Amino acid sequence: GAVVSQHPSRVICKSGTSVKIECRSLDFQATTMFWYRQFPKKSLMLMATSNEGSKATYEQGVEKDKFLINHASLTLSTLTVTSAHPEDSSFYICSARDFSSNSPLHFGNGTRLTVT
Amino acid sequence: QQQVKQSPQSLIVQKGGISIINCAYENTAFDYFPWYQQFPGKGPALLIAIRPDVSEKKEGRFTISFNKSAKQFSLHIMDSQPGDSATYFCAASKETSGSRLTFGEGTQLTVNP
Repeated sequence: GAVVSQHPSRVICKSGTSVKIECRSLDFQATTMFWYRQFPKKSLMLMATSNEGSKATYEQGVEKDKFLINHASLTLSTLTVTSAHPEDSSFYICSARDFSSNSPLHFGNGTRLTVT
Repeated sequence: QQQVKQSPQSLIVQKGGISIINCAYENTAFDYFPWYQQFPGKGPALLIAIRPDVSEKKEGRFTISFNKSAKQFSLHIMDSQPGDSATYFCAASKETSGSRLTFGEGTQLTVNP
């Protein structure tokens, strides 16, 4: 079945630095990917929709300059947390769907970001 | 605005019992209702999903019941096992939105041996 791979699984960075998270669709092409954020014991909140070859669509309240999304190929979307601060510490999860086979949405295993 | 409300927040069930989690939605345009299972430190995994044209769907020990008029749907886990202990999320989307999911708040299920 369709698999979504996310890397890294964990990252610790210092305040003020930037961190890049990768999301790959391993056996299908994904023109659209979704980025979610999840706080401990909380639900998943959609941050943005990543569109291959065009600008991402951000949800209300999400800073597009803070969370840069690039979807340069049909199998890779990246989320860069710029000038990270401790409040950006969270669990970031991507998802993608193989629309060509009408398969359901699949999620990556998430990235635990800790900003010190 | 919370468009999908989920209850209970936590649930403890004995092994072999039935776990029931409920969700209610507001947006009548939603036409796809999946349930996800999430283990600590992992992404959500799709368990089962239903569309509004049916009232019930069963896959193994998992059953979704759907009440369109009440705008409610529920997950039933039969013969619950300790390995089912996880967080469960209901979700909803409009197919035309390209799978943008709105999630419920989650239910922490614990199945005691």
